[in-house]
Amino acid sequence: RKEVEQDPGPFNVPEGATVAFNCTYSNSASQSFFWYRQDCRKEPKLLMSVYSSGNEDGRFTAQLNRASQYISLLIRDSKLSDSATYLCAVISNAGNMLTFGGGTRLMVKP
Amino acid sequence: ETGVTQSPTHLIKTRGQQVTLRCSSQSGHNTVSWYQQALGQGPQFIFQYYREEENGRGNFPPRFSGLQFPNYSSELNVNALELDDSALYLCASSLDPSYEQYFGPGTRLTVT
Repeated sequence: RKEVEQDPGPFNVPEGATVAFNCTYSNSASQSFFWYRQDCRKEPKLLMSVYSSGNEDGRFTAQLNRASQYISLLIRDSKLSDSATYLCAVISNAGNMLTFGGGTRLMVKP
Repeated sequence: ETGVTQSPTHLIKTRGQQVTLRCSSQSGHNTVSWYQQALGQGPQFIFQYYREEENGRGNFPPRFSGLQFPNYSSELNVNALELDDSALYLCASSLDPSYEQYFGPGTRLTVT
């Protein structure tokens, strides 16, 4: 079993839709959680850190469920420009390395 | 923009050759991590440098080596290149090892 797993998609949604992605992690000692966005052939860009209490940034909401060991990302009112691959990443309590999932591809259609 | 820069942007090498990739961290960041991303996969951790010392290593062979300079910029060296080393090499800088990591634009390495 991979340490961090994501549904690769693609998720094809119309503009204006709400879409949610989950990401599961296997190491219960994981301490820090992140969502990155990656456009084709570009570097990952930090979208959000995920806090225990959950956090929101505009149309984006991230949640952490420690009991079930998953994090989620909700995108409301999807825009064409949201089309990208969304990577979740986890840092274990060992401290430093980001372990990434394989990414979920989102395609927002007009 | 993250302020993290990498060079070169693209590189083509032949199997068996050696390559050096460079990364300049964001101002004020003392930690640089290197990742390898194959097509269609998430980035894989190679190693991290913190204040000029290696601070963790992923599951990569010793022919992957690196160093960090006093200004916190970093190099990744790969010896005896193999075809499977073809990938996007990403460096990420952070304020310290446990903080958010910000990626540079990457170096795309092709080994033929």
